[in-house]
Amino acid sequence: EIVMTQSPATLSLSPGERATLSCRASQSVSRNLAWYQQKSGQTPRLIMYDASTRATGLPARFSGSGSGTEFTLTISNLQSEDFAVYYCQQYNNWPYPFGQGTKLEIK
Amino acid sequence: EVQLVESGGGLAQPGGSLRLSCAASGFTFSSYAMTWVRQAPGKGPEWVSSISGNGGTTYHADSVKGRLTISRDNSKNTLYLQMNNLRAEDTAIYYCARDWAPTAYWGQGTLVTVSS
Repeated sequence: EIVMTQSPATLSLSPGERATLSCRASQSVSRNLAWYQQKSGQTPRLIMYDASTRATGLPARFSGSGSGTEFTLTISNLQSEDFAVYYCQQYNNWPYPFGQGTKLEIK
Repeated sequence: EVQLVESGGGLAQPGGSLRLSCAASGFTFSSYAMTWVRQAPGKGPEWVSSISGNGGTTYHADSVKGRLTISRDNSKNTLYLQMNNLRAEDTAIYYCARDWAPTAYWGQGTLVTVSS
């Protein structure tokens, strides 16, 4: 079973700064990697799939990269609405585990 | 508009059973795989089970195999999760979602609490 590991667990930044979130798979998942954003009390929201394809309506300040086992979600010029928990999920091999999440908080 | 509405959650005793339902609308239900994802309090999402559009293929996480069973009734546009032999660690919000993965459409979830 593939294990997804996210780092850091918590990232404290100020609005306007750039956030870099990492997700590592225990074995290659090709580019079959998605990112979700979850705000407190809300349902997870798909923001990125196929490693680098933005979901409909997602601002261009969000970008994804990587393949194989190493992936990155970058958010430039952080806005107040971006502070949330972010999860990665691989969908290359069953089962389809999520990472444990990175909490992006306001510094 | 895609809508997914879960129901059937509640309080169950350890070893007990519940059946969750998810009513789907706004799309051709039988054309899409469906998935259950759960999220325990303060934890990240956990993929639980998925089923193909015609119901012929199912997958379950190892943690629920033999206890939780996914099924669907395409005539009723409804997805189910039969939960047997419940454990405390099954306590979570259970979401139904459209597609295998990634899942862009989620319901609002139904809370299952397993406690004596």
